[in-house]
Amino acid sequence: NAGVTQTPKFQVLKTGQSMTLQCAQDMNHEYMSWYRQDPGMGLRLIHYSVGAGITDQGEVPNGYNVSRSTTEDFPLRLLSAAPSQTSVYFCASSYGASGAANTGELFFGEGSRLTVL
Amino acid sequence: KQEVTQIPAALSVPEGENLVLNCSFTDSAIYNLQWFRQDPGKGLTSLLLIQSSQREQTSGRLNASLDKSSGRSTLYIAASQPGDSATYLCAVRRPGGSQGNLIFGKGTKLSVKP
Repeated sequence: NAGVTQTPKFQVLKTGQSMTLQCAQDMNHEYMSWYRQDPGMGLRLIHYSVGAGITDQGEVPNGYNVSRSTTEDFPLRLLSAAPSQTSVYFCASSYGASGAANTGELFFGEGSRLTVL
Repeated sequence: KQEVTQIPAALSVPEGENLVLNCSFTDSAIYNLQWFRQDPGKGLTSLLLIQSSQREQTSGRLNASLDKSSGRSTLYIAASQPGDSATYLCAVRRPGGSQGNLIFGKGTKLSVKP
């Protein structure tokens, strides 16, 4: 079982560069989300999606874009990287609000470590 | 606004001890509460999930309890082992429209000494 797969695992960018962090899940989960984890700040929600074609902002959305064209994929785009975006990024997924399968249990990827110089 | 607090931030115990990790939250209107484990440099692994209608969940040496009225959850680890050393995070999920939105505590870093 692949679960939630994130690529790349490590990335170094220069200020102003753009890039996309990839996230894919094979559990047919409706809900997907992106978090960033910083020392002393804990995990903070960037963007989330409750289904294909539907996205919404979380706590810290500025500087990031997302789209959800398929159920499986939820890429996170950094438009113009800044040193403040140096962090570890986690993608997570779960079943949606309806149906017997919805325990609401959240599954995480292994993380993508981004350094912006 | 929902806030989740975990105290202590770090805990060191000798192998074999039974221990309790604490998680408190300010708004009792929750959908569920989930406990995670995070090893250094790794992602979060789900340990236990307690629905709002439940009082506790058990998995092996782990037992999690939930008291919504007091805004508290505890994670009990029996007969701790060095392999239990990790950071433990709790997260509460809000009900309603933001059904995927979890609020995380900052975690308790556990070290179990041989």
